[in-house]
Amino acid sequence: KQEVTQIPAALSVPEGENLVLNCSFTDSAIYNLQWFRQDPGKGLTSLLLIQSSQREQTSGRLNASLDKSSGRSTLYIAASQPGDSATYLCAVCDDKIIFGKGTRLHILP
Amino acid sequence: KAGVTQTPRYLIKTRGQQVTLSCSPISGHRSVSWYQQTPGQGLQFLFEYFSETQRNKGNFPGRFSGRQFSNSRSEMNVSTLELGDSALYLCASSWGTGGDTQYFGPGTRLTVL
Repeated sequence: KQEVTQIPAALSVPEGENLVLNCSFTDSAIYNLQWFRQDPGKGLTSLLLIQSSQREQTSGRLNASLDKSSGRSTLYIAASQPGDSATYLCAVCDDKIIFGKGTRLHILP
Repeated sequence: KAGVTQTPRYLIKTRGQQVTLSCSPISGHRSVSWYQQTPGQGLQFLFEYFSETQRNKGNFPGRFSGRQFSNSRSEMNVSTLELGDSALYLCASSWGTGGDTQYFGPGTRLTVL
């Protein structure tokens, strides 16, 4: 049974710092992995999708990597801004989509 | 292009009642998935519909059911509501299945008293 874990559960960093969010999964037989952002009380916004054959994807200040063999993905955020404060969720797709519980990120102005 | 819409946005029901939630996908999308989000369990997959057929189902009791119409709009029904059904119910649409990028609606906040 696929399980997705995100560490840490919460993170506070000063504005301007680079940071890394971690995601691990137990079964490497996945189609793809997605990173989402969720603002309080809102739906999810897709940030990056990495296909199982890919190693990384980049969008602006965001870079996501995927290492299927070790069951890990990281989301790197460069030059963090207060507007980046949100919960970041990782989800793996292996026919169903299984979400981690998220990392609550707070950027300190 | 309009995004995924969900109605109603907020709902208050009492135990034992039933509720129907609606989701309209992005135009052209044929897959609709439903999720339940609670503080304790996080986001859990309920079911996925593609071309009016239920393609996948999560680990939820039979009180949770859904359907999809020919225009890809989907409804989710919960019968005999329990306090633990209080949650944010999210719907997501995608072009197809097999891990296409999912686009989420704003959710329906259900409170069961």
